[in-house]
Amino acid sequence: QLLLQESGPGLVKPSETLSLTCTVSGGSINSSNYYWGWIRQPPGKGLEWIGTIYYSGSTYYNPSLKSRVSISIDTSKNQFSLKLKSVTAADTAVYYCARHATPWFGEQVFDPWGQGTLVTVSS
Amino acid sequence: EIVMTQSPATLSVSPGERATLSCRASQSIGSNLAWYQQKPGQAPRLLFYGASTRATGIPARFSGSGSGTEFTLTISSLQSEDVAIYCCQQYNNWPPFTFGQGTKLEIK
Repeated sequence: QLLLQESGPGLVKPSETLSLTCTVSGGSINSSNYYWGWIRQPPGKGLEWIGTIYYSGSTYYNPSLKSRVSISIDTSKNQFSLKLKSVTAADTAVYYCARHATPWFGEQVFDPWGQGTLVTVSS
Repeated sequence: EIVMTQSPATLSVSPGERATLSCRASQSIGSNLAWYQQKPGQAPRLLFYGASTRATGIPARFSGSGSGTEFTLTISSLQSEDVAIYCCQQYNNWPPFTFGQGTKLEIK
């Protein structure tokens, strides 16, 4: 059973950089069939896709966040990471990591998801 | 960017009754639509992909339909454990993937 687990600070100061890591267990992140993504959900609001990375390191970002986002992957540790710089209170959200298939392998839906981690931006 | 619009925002249904939730895309997405269920304090759970294909372990009282720009999630006989927020997602044209704002399903 594939499991994903987010980790990182729960509190970040305004203007600083939010950093989170997703650790994958029960399967390899080094797969040509899947992408690995980050999604967030502000309190009481809907889901927003942040970005996606492939095992090769290729990345795709939401244009609305592209200037502030960086996603990286460490296949040796079976982890991928998110950095969001210059955060404001609007970046307060539950951050999820999830897997989705490549177009040539399957439906590009998010499954499974990590349990999520709340990151609050406040001084 | 494809905008996903869900209606209603909140739906109250009596136990055993039918619940019908709608999702509309701002342009045609074929059948490239997923539905997720999110219970309080939990991560979203995949219900459907390809608009109408149930994910593993999803009960048969749940059904999905539609194509193009109009999609529907139906729960044929509402159970108490179905109380949740239901969200649609398009994957026809990305980046970006886009989600609807969700429909909150309550027991009347």
